[in-house]
Amino acid sequence: ETGVTQSPTHLIKTRGQQVTLRCSSQSGHNTVSWYQQALGQGPQFIFQYYREEENGRGNFPPRFSGLQFPNYSSELNVNALELDDSALYLCASSPQGATDEKLFFGSGTQLSVL
Amino acid sequence: QKEVEQNSGPLSVPEGAIASLNCTYSDRGSQSFFWYRQYSGKSPELIMFIYSNGDKEDGRFTAQLNKASQYVSLLIRDSQPSDSATYLCAVQGSNYQLIWGAGTKLIIKP
Repeated sequence: ETGVTQSPTHLIKTRGQQVTLRCSSQSGHNTVSWYQQALGQGPQFIFQYYREEENGRGNFPPRFSGLQFPNYSSELNVNALELDDSALYLCASSPQGATDEKLFFGSGTQLSVL
Repeated sequence: QKEVEQNSGPLSVPEGAIASLNCTYSDRGSQSFFWYRQYSGKSPELIMFIYSNGDKEDGRFTAQLNKASQYVSLLIRDSQPSDSATYLCAVQGSNYQLIWGAGTKLIIKP
């Protein structure tokens, strides 16, 4: 069991709405990464935050935005939800800054967009 | 487009046998290689990582890396029904981002 916690665990939204997902990183981890995992696919990198600054971004549109707080917890915001945004959203923290090695994942948020 | 390829399976292996999972990657600058296990409806769990060419063993698991062939594999000895899961290969490229394969579904038959 890792110390990475995500909330909520499940969420149902309708197209066009906005959503905020939250993540608390494992103690001592200052880097948080967000991933989107569609059914039957591997996780897709959305972005990473290191010491409150965005440190890398994947191929996602600007309506996907994030934030990291001084305690290293993080939020993922998605505006103007589309049906294809339905997926498992994973937060992962890592013990060293600016790298993705040895990621420890939270249990994820299952988002359904209707 | 940097890619990581895995056979989607399912790969069916008898209990007690060796399961062999394979992964190829396109970015020659890749530095670190990871195997994650994911049970249905759960998040990925790191089981092995390897940085250097050759074999790395941890209990029943052995990771093998061949950078010249851009190939990484995972062997599971004495397979157990609890090993049934999807195995995800992830590769860290020169920009430090992880690129993931779509996973191989492994089924261990009692």
